[in-house]
Amino acid sequence: QKEVEQNSGPLSVPEGAIASLNCTYSDRGSQSFFWYRQYSGKSPELIMSIYSNGDKEDGRFTAQLNKASQYVSLLIRDSQPSDSATYLCAGPPGGGGNKLTFGTGTQLKVEL
Amino acid sequence: KAGVTQTPRYLIKTRGQQVTLSCSPISGHRSVSWYQQTPGQGLQFLFEYFSETQRNKGNFPGRFSGRQFSNSRSEMNVSTLELGDSALYLCASSPHPTDHNSPLHFGNGTRLTVT
Repeated sequence: QKEVEQNSGPLSVPEGAIASLNCTYSDRGSQSFFWYRQYSGKSPELIMSIYSNGDKEDGRFTAQLNKASQYVSLLIRDSQPSDSATYLCAGPPGGGGNKLTFGTGTQLKVEL
Repeated sequence: KAGVTQTPRYLIKTRGQQVTLSCSPISGHRSVSWYQQTPGQGLQFLFEYFSETQRNKGNFPGRFSGRQFSNSRSEMNVSTLELGDSALYLCASSPHPTDHNSPLHFGNGTRLTVT
């Protein structure tokens, strides 16, 4: 079992809809998680970070963490064509540090 | 504040050669990590440096090495290049390796092609 797993997609949603991206992890000791967005040919850029159970909102983005179920999600409201990218979920091992384990990413396509 | 700077942006090498990639972190960031990204394997951790010391190392052969200088700049070296080393090599920095409030910030990467 991979440490961080994501559905590779592509996930297609119409413009204006809510896009839901999901991630599961195997290390129960992981305390924090990060969502990165990567446009084709570009480097990953940080979208959201979440450390506590529950929801964290930032503009059109909401990250959700459920440590009991070892599940992390990212909701994008009012999806725009510019949101079309690959979204990477990442978490450190339980011991902390910057040895992030990344999922393989979910490709999101927002259609007009 | 300038971002993470990686040089060169593109490299073409032949099998058996060696290559050195450079990374300058964001000013004030003392932790530098390196990742390899390929279409098949995604982003894979190579190593992490803090205060000129390697803190963590990923599951890569000894041909992959790195170092960090006193000004926090980092280099990674790959010797005896193989075709499978063709990838995007990403450097990321953060102020401190255990500061979860300051996640990794990535550079634009170095695209290495081995022929």
